[in-house]
Parts: sequence; structure tokens; C-alpha cells
Amino acid sequence: AQKVTQAQTEISVVEKEDVTLDCVYETRDTTYYLFWYKQPPSGELVFLIRRNSFDEQNEISGRYSWNFQKSTSSFNFTITASQVVDSAVYFCALSVINTGTASKLTFGTGTRLQVTL
Amino acid sequence: EAGVAQSPRYKIIEKRQSVAFWCNPISGHATLYWYQQILGQGPKLLIQFQNNGVVDDSQLPKDRFSAERLKGVDSTLKIQPAKLEDSAVYLCASSLDLVGGLSYNEQFFGPGTRLTVL
Repeated sequence: AQKVTQAQTEISVVEKEDVTLDCVYETRDTTYYLFWYKQPPSGELVFLIRRNSFDEQNEISGRYSWNFQKSTSSFNFTITASQVVDSAVYFCALSVINTGTASKLTFGTGTRLQVTL
Repeated sequence: EAGVAQSPRYKIIEKRQSVAFWCNPISGHATLYWYQQILGQGPKLLIQFQNNGVVDDSQLPKDRFSAERLKGVDSTLKIQPAKLEDSAVYLCASSLDLVGGLSYNEQFFGPGTRLTVL
């Protein structure tokens, strides 16, 4: 069975601060995907990134960056110079890779980020 | 490209009543998912279809929940009878899979249906 833990329930920062959202996962499978989704107040889940378990390279996309470390089973997400529009609930998720069959996403409980002026 | 469509957006019913939700996935997406998201929690998969077949319904409370995807396109999720604890947002997602024989699992989510059971 898979498990995703997001220990930070809620984080509040002031605009322009950097913030890191933690994600720790558990799986016995050696091949899997990790994801981050954003859920703004409107409720729709917005895909941010997918990372293959074979690729531990960190990734940067604008103000967003992701740090994947298999040794600690972590996939942390950093927002640099946060903005009010970043306020949302962020979910980390895990999906096991099965040849020929799509597999479900196992989500963490989410981290609510509040960015204030 | 149109996204995942869901209706209704909101529904309020009394316990023991029945309710149905509808989802139309992104055109060409073979896999369709229904998730339940209780307030303060992450989404939990209820059922997963690949075309019109069920892949995973292990977490679907089958005594009261049912879902179908008859033509392999749109899908309905029904609750009969509803309980108070069914109050949640029901999210539908779809994904384009079977790329190169591996699961290519980027799921696109609809806006969800917020259900309140009184």
C-alpha cells in the first residue's frame, strides 16, 4: 500500500517570503510517479508537476522548485518570493506505475498556504 | 481544448435521499476517476474506469454508491440512500494513458460537485 504524508497542515507567510512544503511518501514499489497539485479556493485541482522515480534531478519552473530525494522518500516543493495568488491548498500525491494499466493517485492530506501582504 | 465537465456544481439533499452526479471527461481520455474529498482531507479514489470497464472500485461503498460509464465516455456516480457522512466534494478526473505501454498518469480534474447532506 502507498502512503503520502504532509505534516504541515497550514503555513502562513508574508508576501515575498520563500516557503517549502514538505512531502514524505511510502511505497514498496520501485517504479512510481510523484505529483504536486494546487487547489485554489475555487476547488479545482491544478496539476503542477510529475516526477518519475528514476529521475532524481531537481526541477525549477519560474518561482517553483522541487527537491526529490529517494534516500529520504521526500518530494518537497519550494515557492520562491511567494505571492498572494499562491494562497491555496497544495497536495502531494503518489502513483505506482503499472504496465498497461493506469494506477490511482494516493494523496496526502494537503498543506494550506496563506500568503498575506 | 475543453476540460473535464461536471454537473451539478452544488447539491443539497436530506439523508436517505438519492443523488446523481455526471462527468464528461476530456475527449480521447481512456481513464476516468471519481474521487471523494471530505473537508480538510485529500481526495480519495472511489472508482476508476478504463474505457467502460472498472479497474479499481475497492474503496467504493457498494451498498450505497454505484457508478457507470456505459459508452466509455461520460460517467454517472449515484448515492442511494445518502448519509450525513457523504457530505463532500466529488471530483471527476480523466487521463490519457497507455502511452508506450506505461501508465502515463497525468490526471486532469473537473471543478467538482459539492454535496451537502442534511
